[in-house]
Amino acid sequence: GAVVSQHPSRVICKSGTSVKIECRSLDFQATTMFWYRQFPKQSLMLMATSNEGSKATYEQGVEKDKFLINHASLTLSTLTVTSAHPEDSSFYICSARDPNYYNEQFFGPGTRLTVL
Amino acid sequence: AQSVTQLDSQVPVFEEAPVELRCNYSSSVSVYLFWYVQYPNQGLQLLLKYLSGSTLVKGINGFEAEFNKSQTSFHLRKPSVHISDTAEYFCAVSAESGTYKYIFGTGTRLKVLA
Repeated sequence: GAVVSQHPSRVICKSGTSVKIECRSLDFQATTMFWYRQFPKQSLMLMATSNEGSKATYEQGVEKDKFLINHASLTLSTLTVTSAHPEDSSFYICSARDPNYYNEQFFGPGTRLTVL
Repeated sequence: AQSVTQLDSQVPVFEEAPVELRCNYSSSVSVYLFWYVQYPNQGLQLLLKYLSGSTLVKGINGFEAEFNKSQTSFHLRKPSVHISDTAEYFCAVSAESGTYKYIFGTGTRLKVLA
C-alpha cells in the first residue's frame, strides 16, 4: 500500500529557531501534499495544500511567512516553521494524494514539535 | 463545500458491548468518506473508506460502516468492542473532484470500560 513518511517524528527547539519537517511519499508520486496541524484533544486542521512545482495554497488564518512550504519534487514536501514560538508547539501531520487511486490521501505518522 | 458533524464527543461503552459512532456530512457534490482512528501520541490509521460500490464497508479490527446517501450519514459500528479500541475516532469527507481536500469531524473519543 501507499506509504508516507515524516521526519523527524519528534523535535524540541528553542524559541526563535526554525524547524524543518519533511514529508515523503515512498512508493508513489504525489503531485499534491497537504499539511495539517492538530492541537491536543482536537481535530486536524488543514494548514495548506502543497502542489509540486508551484506555490502552496494556505488556508485562511495560516501565516504564510511563519509556515514555509516547499514541494520541490513529486515525492517530497517540506514544512519550515520559522522563528518558532511556544504557541507553535503542536502535532503536524502531512498527507500525500495519490492521483491514480481515487485521489485518496495517505497520511504520514506525524511530527511532534515542542518549542521551549 | 463539505462539512462533517460528529455529534458525540465521547462515547463510553462496556467491553464486549456493541458501539455506533455517528457521522453526518453535508455536500452538494458526490463524496468519498473515511473513518480514521488515532491512539494517543500517534498518527492517523485508516479504519475504512467508502469510495464507490457497496454502501456497506468493512474495515480493519472488526469495524464496519454504512454509507446512507439519503440521510447523508456514514456511521461506524462494531458488534463487540475491546479495551484496546479505546481511542479517538475521526470521520472525514472529501469531494470526488476539485481540491481533494479532506474535511475532518471534531472526533469522538471511544472509551471502553472493563
